[in-house]
Amino acid sequence: GENVEQHPSTLSVQEGDSAVIKCTYSDSASNYFPWYKQELGKRPQLIIDIRSNVGEKKDQRIAVTLNKTAKHFSLHITETQPEDSAVYFCAAIRTPESGGSNYKLTFGKGTLLTVNP
Amino acid sequence: DTGVSQNPRHKITKRGQNVTFRCDPISEHNRLYWYRQTLGQGPEFLTYFQNEAQLEKSRLLSDRFSAERPKGSFSTLEIQRTEQGDSAMYLCASSGTRSNQPQHFGDGTRLSIL
Repeated sequence: GENVEQHPSTLSVQEGDSAVIKCTYSDSASNYFPWYKQELGKRPQLIIDIRSNVGEKKDQRIAVTLNKTAKHFSLHITETQPEDSAVYFCAAIRTPESGGSNYKLTFGKGTLLTVNP
Repeated sequence: DTGVSQNPRHKITKRGQNVTFRCDPISEHNRLYWYRQTLGQGPEFLTYFQNEAQLEKSRLLSDRFSAERPKGSFSTLEIQRTEQGDSAMYLCASSGTRSNQPQHFGDGTRLSIL
């Protein structure tokens, strides 16, 4: 099955700096890669996603890049703010459209991002 | 609020008791998923429904676990004869029918086994 590795496990930055979180996946047929933000005691919230036919996607201060050849994708947050502090999870999925059997997400172990004022 | 709703938010029970959780998905979503999340880990897939059909079960879902979605709307997850290792956050998510539709999560039910 799919295996997703996420690094780093913790990341501390100063307000205004950029933060980068990296993930690698094992199944070359995975075709959809969402990122979730989870604040303490709250639900994982989808913040951005990318499909395998796209190399980069941006949404204001957040961007995701995908390198299918190397099987890795990254989350970039620019001009970080204290409210960006949370645990971020990457995930990968191989949907039936790509030969998978179902729609289950495989998650990384998460990155605790702390933005210091 | 039209998001995914889960009840109860917290459940504390003694080892050996049965518990049942409920998930109400976003109304137009026909796919529903259950995940389990333990401290410091990402959510792990348990099972998946398309409408009322349960199409996939993880090996994490032992025979003490059962999930239903009788009318293709809300779903229940039951754990029988709970064990200490069942303590976790149980998350429900739902998504639409088109390819690669994002999964939206509920706030989860936190289960604590005494």
